[in-house]
Amino acid sequence: DAGVIQSPRHEVTEMGQEVTLRCKPISGHNSLFWYRQTMMRGLELLIYFNNNVPIDDSGMPEDRFSAKMPNASFSTLKIQPSEPRDSAVYFCASSFGRLNTEAFFGQGTRLTVV
Amino acid sequence: GQQVMQIPQYQHVQEGEDFTTYCNSSTTLSNIQWYKQRPGGHPVFLIQLVKSGEVKKQKRLTFQFGEAKKNSSLHITATQTTDVGTYFCAGRITGGGNKLTFGTGTQLKVEL
Repeated sequence: DAGVIQSPRHEVTEMGQEVTLRCKPISGHNSLFWYRQTMMRGLELLIYFNNNVPIDDSGMPEDRFSAKMPNASFSTLKIQPSEPRDSAVYFCASSFGRLNTEAFFGQGTRLTVV
Repeated sequence: GQQVMQIPQYQHVQEGEDFTTYCNSSTTLSNIQWYKQRPGGHPVFLIQLVKSGEVKKQKRLTFQFGEAKKNSSLHITATQTTDVGTYFCAGRITGGGNKLTFGTGTQLKVEL
């Protein structure tokens, strides 16, 4: 298996533009997590899905952020409109089972909003 | 909400010295995991602890889960330059489902 695949690896966009980050979890995994990493705030959990259903989105900063998981092999995180403070590395991770299992991370998407 | 803090935030050591990072949760955890993130990389799973007071070892790394299941520690004996990176603990709270909350991390630098 190729692991968790995220795209794009790098994204530079202008303030106000829409940004879509993509994630393909490991086949067979039924939990998917979106994290944001910054120097100031560390690794923040934005949202996680179980069996394609959003379970906890309490970490989503505001209405400009939305996440979907239309099927077991694909998820998106959308920011609209983007702002400079959204600049960060966004990680997607997946795991198998509900508890006591490790999370496998993708390589991350480095987002810069100018 | 749940908070998971780690200390210290940064640690510089000379190669061969020992290193310890401490993890404290505001709530009781069902389990605790440890991850390592190399500079420019992504977090990679190291180990999981489930039982109260559990101690596990991986070569020079020793992991401990507190009796109250609210704290944990990672100790590295005789650090090497390959140990450089940021170490995160991550916990699931009891009754919290699969929500995995990461600690603030400890960045380790090892000098020759």
